Amino acid sequence: DAGVIQSPRHEVTEMGQEVTLRCKPISGHNSLFWYRQTMMRGLELLIYFNNNVPIDDSGMPEDRFSAKMPNASFSTLKIQPSEPRDSAVYFCASSFTGYSEAFFGQGTRLTVV
Amino acid sequence: KQEVTQIPAALSVPEGENLVLNCSFTDSAIYNLQWFRQDPGKGLTSLLLIQSSQREQTSGRLNASLDKSSGRSTLYIAASQPGDSATYLCAVSTSGTYKYIFGTGTRLKVLA
Repeated sequence: DAGVIQSPRHEVTEMGQEVTLRCKPISGHNSLFWYRQTMMRGLELLIYFNNNVPIDDSGMPEDRFSAKMPNASFSTLKIQPSEPRDSAVYFCASSFTGYSEAFFGQGTRLTVV
Repeated sequence: KQEVTQIPAALSVPEGENLVLNCSFTDSAIYNLQWFRQDPGKGLTSLLLIQSSQREQTSGRLNASLDKSSGRSTLYIAASQPGDSATYLCAVSTSGTYKYIFGTGTRLKVLA
């Protein structure tokens, strides 16, 4: 398996634009996580899916952020409208169950100017 | 609320030294603890996963221990090499939740 695949690897966008980040989890994994990493706050969990259903979205910072998982092999994280303070590295991770070993993608470095 | 602390924040050692990285957590009701490695500009690589019922896990030159009662885990790296230079993160999942709470990491530099 190629591991967790995220795209794009880098994204530069202007303030106010819509940004969509994509994630393909490891095949057979039932749990998917979106994290955000910044220097100030470290790694923060944004949302957790189990069997394609959002279980915990308490980490989503505000209504500008939304996430979907239409099937077991694909998830998106959308920011609309984007703001400079959204600049961070966004990671997707998957695991066989919510409690088992988590595998991370390479991340998407988002810069909002 | 679970809080995870890693000490030291940064460490620089000569090649060949054995070293210990520390991770502390405030809520001992954990489900498991995972150690990760992160290289600059890269994602997180899982190193070791310790279930709450386990005391330690070993992989090659790495050994992780867990003491739930004291809220501590250590990652022992034997015979360190320059290739071990990276940031090491520990993450704790608390019983009843699916969240991994991450520490802020220890930035390790092994000098040749």
